Amino acid sequence: GQNIDQPTEMTATEGAIVQINCTYQTSGFNGLFWYQQHAGEAPTFLSYNVLDGLEEKGRFSSFLSRSKGYSYLLLKELQMKDSASYLCAVSHASGGSYIPTFGRGTSLIVHP
Amino acid sequence: DTGVSQNPRHKITKRGQNVTFRCDPISEHNRLYWYRQTLGQGPEFLTYFQNEAQLEKSRLLSDRFSAERPKGSFSTLEIQRTEQGDSAMYLCASSPRTPDAKYYGYTFGSGTRLTVV
Repeated sequence: GQNIDQPTEMTATEGAIVQINCTYQTSGFNGLFWYQQHAGEAPTFLSYNVLDGLEEKGRFSSFLSRSKGYSYLLLKELQMKDSASYLCAVSHASGGSYIPTFGRGTSLIVHP
Repeated sequence: DTGVSQNPRHKITKRGQNVTFRCDPISEHNRLYWYRQTLGQGPEFLTYFQNEAQLEKSRLLSDRFSAERPKGSFSTLEIQRTEQGDSAMYLCASSPRTPDAKYYGYTFGSGTRLTVV
């Protein structure tokens, strides 16, 4: 099976930088996703890593180490609107298909 | 294309009743996924279609749950004899056959919130 672990909640100050970690154990790894989900809304795609290293996209960056089963999402210049749940999802092979399995999510609270 | 569409947005039903939800994926996407999400949890995988074929089903999907995608376009998820434990947000997502996941990932609909009373 798959095991994905991320902190339940984090708080940060507007304008600061925050790093949300995700560790995973899976077989047939085929990439790791980060999604943002505001309360009562659908998850929206932020990033995808399949090779080791850092992917940068504006204020958000995502890092992957496959050998360590570890990823992080880095948010810079935090804004109040970044308060949301951040979901780590691992895509793994299952019977010829690739199924994303989600972690519980990290609730980020940004305060002034 | 307006993205992934789910109907209804909200459904309140009495315990024991049957309910059906609909998902219309992005038109060029041939892969469709159903997830269930409860408060404070991440989405839990329920089932997956490639075109009209249902290729994967989670152990979470009891005999009371059935999903179809008859023409490889829209999909329905039916829950029979609903229980209070079925109360959750039911999310649908779609992706293309060879997803350029780096740019698109999986696109989710806004979900159907089911409340069983």
